Amino acid sequence: KQEVTQIPAALSVPEGENLVLNCSFTDSAIYNLQWFRQDPGKGLTSLLLIQSSQREQTSGRLNASLDKSSGRSTLYIAASQPGDSATYLCAVKGGVEETSGSRLTFGEGTQLTVNP
Amino acid sequence: DAGVTQSPTHLIKTRGQQVTLRCSPKSGHDTVSWYQQALGQGPQFIFQYYEEEERQRGNFPDRFSGHQFPNYSSELNVNALLLGDSALYLCASSLQSGHYSGNTIYFGEGSWLTVV
Repeated sequence: KQEVTQIPAALSVPEGENLVLNCSFTDSAIYNLQWFRQDPGKGLTSLLLIQSSQREQTSGRLNASLDKSSGRSTLYIAASQPGDSATYLCAVKGGVEETSGSRLTFGEGTQLTVNP
Repeated sequence: DAGVTQSPTHLIKTRGQQVTLRCSPKSGHDTVSWYQQALGQGPQFIFQYYEEEERQRGNFPDRFSGHQFPNYSSELNVNALLLGDSALYLCASSLQSGHYSGNTIYFGEGSWLTVV
């Protein structure tokens, strides 16, 4: 059974700092990995999608890397801003037991607070 | 281009009652998945619908059922509500043709269900 873990559970940083969020998964036979952002009481917004054959993806101040063989991904946020405050969720699609590759398996998220 | 829309946004039900939640997928998408997100946790996969059939199911009891209509919209039904069913219910849409390679999955804002 695929399991996803995110560390740390919560993070508080001053504005302008560069930071790294970590995600690990137990079954490396994934199709892809996706990072989402969730604001309080809201739905999920996709930030970056990394295919299993890729090593990283970038969007603006965000960079996500994937090391499939070791079951790890990191989300790097450069020059953090108060508007980046949210919960960041990592999700993987697929695994050895996933015959159809349909479901996403999520971590519990990292709650980020960027202080002005 | 409308994204994923869900209704209602909030509702309160009494234990033992039944509830129906609705979802319209993003324009052009043919696959709808439902997730349950308890407070402080990551979303958990309930089931996925494609071509009006349930294609994959997570670890949820038969009290949870669904339907997909010819226009790709979907309903989630929960019978005999329990206090533990209180959660944010998220609908996600995607294109079935790309689900192995990993087209981005889009989420709605969710329906907050409180069972009292």
